[in-house]
Amino acid sequence: GAVVSQHPSWVICKSGTSVKIECRSLDFQATTMFWYRQFPKQSLMLMATSNEGSKATYEQGVEKDKFLINHASLTLSTLTVTSAHPEDSSFYICSATTSPEETQYFGPGTRLLVL
Amino acid sequence: DQQVKQNSPSLSVQEGRISILNCDYTNSMFDYFLWYKKYPAEGPTFLISISSIKDKNEDGRFTVFLNKSAKHLSLHIVPSQPGDSAVYFCAASVQGGSEKLVFGKGMKLTVNP
Repeated sequence: GAVVSQHPSWVICKSGTSVKIECRSLDFQATTMFWYRQFPKQSLMLMATSNEGSKATYEQGVEKDKFLINHASLTLSTLTVTSAHPEDSSFYICSATTSPEETQYFGPGTRLLVL
Repeated sequence: DQQVKQNSPSLSVQEGRISILNCDYTNSMFDYFLWYKKYPAEGPTFLISISSIKDKNEDGRFTVFLNKSAKHLSLHIVPSQPGDSAVYFCAASVQGGSEKLVFGKGMKLTVNP
């Protein structure tokens, strides 16, 4: 149980285009989903916390107009990287939980390469 | 198919004792392993890592042991402190850690005063 999927698993796009990444909880209802960006040496940066039906809470330094997050249902959150640039190339990982105080279940990650 | 497994969901130990958190993996291509610590309502923070060319890495109270033949790693915390109470995630990567992380489901550690 507690499976989280991400789609696509990898994407290559041209600079200036937008890319949407989906995060789904397959067998549980996720009231809260988190979006992370993976940096070199494997550090994870929390980008934002999204709660179903409400606006996402962005961490300091994360541009909310560039990284659009939508948590429209209890099983789906999307991250849209708008006007992507090469510096946005990274792994993006989501996690889901039934409540922020409970353990998080991580998705498999999405590799974004912006040319 | 879960490639990184933390089979015990929780562990409770007394302050001052040793905490041993276990992690198993199935993908023999994994060559870089990490442990993350997560407090409630916060993102995970990096704790310690180990490359497959080593079998032990130590950082203060934290030591990670890697047994490649058994595809098993463990995190030892000595001595355990109440502030260590958190959820611990094991993660693995390939190509020396340059590829995306694969996480286990986490284990909740409670250190009792």
